[in-house]
Amino acid sequence: GQNIDQPTEMTATEGAIVQINCTYQTSGFNGLFWYQQHAGEAPTFLSYNVLDGLEEKGRFSSFLSRSKGYSYLLLKELQMKDSASYLCAVREDTDKLIFGTGTRLQVFP
Amino acid sequence: GAGVSQTPSNKVTEKGKYVELRCDPISGHTALYWYRQSLGQGPEFLIYFQGTGAADDSGLPNDRFFAVRPEGSVSTLKIQRTERGDSAVYLCASSFGRGNYEQYFGPGTRLTVT
Repeated sequence: GQNIDQPTEMTATEGAIVQINCTYQTSGFNGLFWYQQHAGEAPTFLSYNVLDGLEEKGRFSSFLSRSKGYSYLLLKELQMKDSASYLCAVREDTDKLIFGTGTRLQVFP
Repeated sequence: GAGVSQTPSNKVTEKGKYVELRCDPISGHTALYWYRQSLGQGPEFLIYFQGTGAADDSGLPNDRFFAVRPEGSVSTLKIQRTERGDSAVYLCASSFGRGNYEQYFGPGTRLTVT
């Protein structure tokens, strides 16, 4: 079966660091994506991992361990505008994305 | 307009009616995807087109749902005999092609079935 788990909600303080975890069990694997989605808006691409290890892109980094079925998104120097939902998605062999339910992050001043 | 566009942005219909939702992908993108998203959930895959053909329609919930992409660009998602459970945001995404390309999402159509 397909299962992607991530925490429902997280809170953090402006300027801090937060790590959002994602574990997955899917029938196929061809990469893991992280998307950001502000309320009422479309998801926007943040990062992509297909090999084990850390991918860094500015304030955002994403890590993948395929053997453990585990990824995390790391957000540094949090800003108020980072308050959003963060979606973990696995690409299966046919290119479709299987999404988790999303983690709603609230950043407080 | 460089992004994915979807029309209408909102659609309210009565139970039992027929609706069509339209998606204009980014020019040059050969792959097009439909997802639907219920409140508090992640997007749920419906169907994927590569060019004009449906490469994977395994996410369509039943035969009331159908999608076309006759010229390999614009796509229409069609829902017959709508039910209240069909109420959701329907998202369209496109990508440059097969493989590990980023999917760019449109703003979605919010469908409400009363």
